[in-house]
Amino acid sequence: EVQLVQSGAEVRKPGESLKISCTPSGYTFTAYWIGWVRQVPGKGLDWMGLIYPGDSDTRYSPSFQGQVTISADKSISTAYLQWSSLKASDTAIYYCTRYGLDYWGQGTLVTVSS
Amino acid sequence: QAVVTQEPSLTVSPGGTVTLTCGSSTGAVTTGHYPYWFQQKPGQAPRALIYDTTNKHSWTPARFSGSLLGGKAALTLSGAQPEDEAEFYCLLSYSGGRRVFGGGTKLTVL
Repeated sequence: EVQLVQSGAEVRKPGESLKISCTPSGYTFTAYWIGWVRQVPGKGLDWMGLIYPGDSDTRYSPSFQGQVTISADKSISTAYLQWSSLKASDTAIYYCTRYGLDYWGQGTLVTVSS
Repeated sequence: QAVVTQEPSLTVSPGGTVTLTCGSSTGAVTTGHYPYWFQQKPGQAPRALIYDTTNKHSWTPARFSGSLLGGKAALTLSGAQPEDEAEFYCLLSYSGGRRVFGGGTKLTVL
């Protein structure tokens, strides 16, 4: 059974850094791209970018280029989304999804507040 | 960046048929945009319904179907059930690997 398990909710202050994770199981991690999607509470879905864990080829949506870093560690079959300096506007639920967009993680709520 | 447009809200009667559409600011939507459709209920992650315009996943109820209609991607629900009430999102792919979600359609079954 394919599952994507994401790390738990986080609360940070503006300017702080953060790295959240997505750990798939039930398939070969390096064989599928993994995408990240943002959902601001009460709003729609925003495509952020994706990574191919096999060779770490990464593609960012223009809106998120330079704002976040997507990475993967194939030794532990985990993908990451990280920020070096959070803003209040980064408050959202972040989903990872196996490309084909068939299987999704449960989402990680990130709250940025002073 | 391209803008993908959906109806903000639609209402369908139980047992009725409704079509949701997904347009692109760049012109007609084609199979080359590989349209996806997702259903999202409150407090849940999105669930994939349709990929590559018309293809269903094993879990997609038979009452949902995807197509191209009048230069847009379309999701048709035939025989609406109360449990179909949800937000529906489309996703289109563009050159350079860019992907853009539509703003979502809130479907009410009433």
